[in-house]
Amino acid sequence: DAGVTQSPTHLIKTRGQHVTLRCSPISGHKSVSWYQQVLGQGPQFIFQYYEKEERGRGNFPDRFSARQFPNYSSELNVNALLLGDSALYLCASRPPGRTYEQYFGPGTRLTVT
Amino acid sequence: AQKVTQAQTEISVVEKEDVTLDCVYETRDTTYYLFWYKQPPSGELVFLIRRNSFDEQNEISGRYSWNFQKSTSSFNFTITASQVVDSAVYFCALIMEYGNKLVFGAGTILRVKS
Repeated sequence: DAGVTQSPTHLIKTRGQHVTLRCSPISGHKSVSWYQQVLGQGPQFIFQYYEKEERGRGNFPDRFSARQFPNYSSELNVNALLLGDSALYLCASRPPGRTYEQYFGPGTRLTVT
Repeated sequence: AQKVTQAQTEISVVEKEDVTLDCVYETRDTTYYLFWYKQPPSGELVFLIRRNSFDEQNEISGRYSWNFQKSTSSFNFTITASQVVDSAVYFCALIMEYGNKLVFGAGTILRVKS
């Protein structure tokens, strides 16, 4: 079975621009979460979506938004990019039931100049 | 609030040495789940193990073993006979029951030299 996929792999944007990152979960997984990993730190939770509804939001500004589609894929949008948004953005999907483990994609490396 | 501490920032060992990665956590919840993930240079987080708070049985999987001690809020990870391919960043993480987010430690960089 295919794992979590993310696109694009790398992205370079300028301050003030907008970016959209995409994620496809493992087949059968209905929950998708987004994490931001700044260099040298552990991942920080941004959003969780389940059945197209937001189920959790981390301590991130309103410039960050996300949505989940009927096929359970997801988009993360970031507006008015700042230099500090440069990071690896990880998407994770979670199997149904109370297993709690999350399976991560390869990430999108965003560089803001 | 939950917190995970990985006090070892970086560890270097020579191939075939045993190495233990420490993880200490804080939570007020009685039911929670602990994880270890491996992040190779490619960047993808690879799931290694999940442990439930109500199951303190240690686990061994090949060269990997995990020691969960609720009394000291620790969930340590040991690699026996380390190999160069074990070189990566290792993260310990915590999620509470019915929670929606993994809380990660800062990670430990493991360098295994041949």
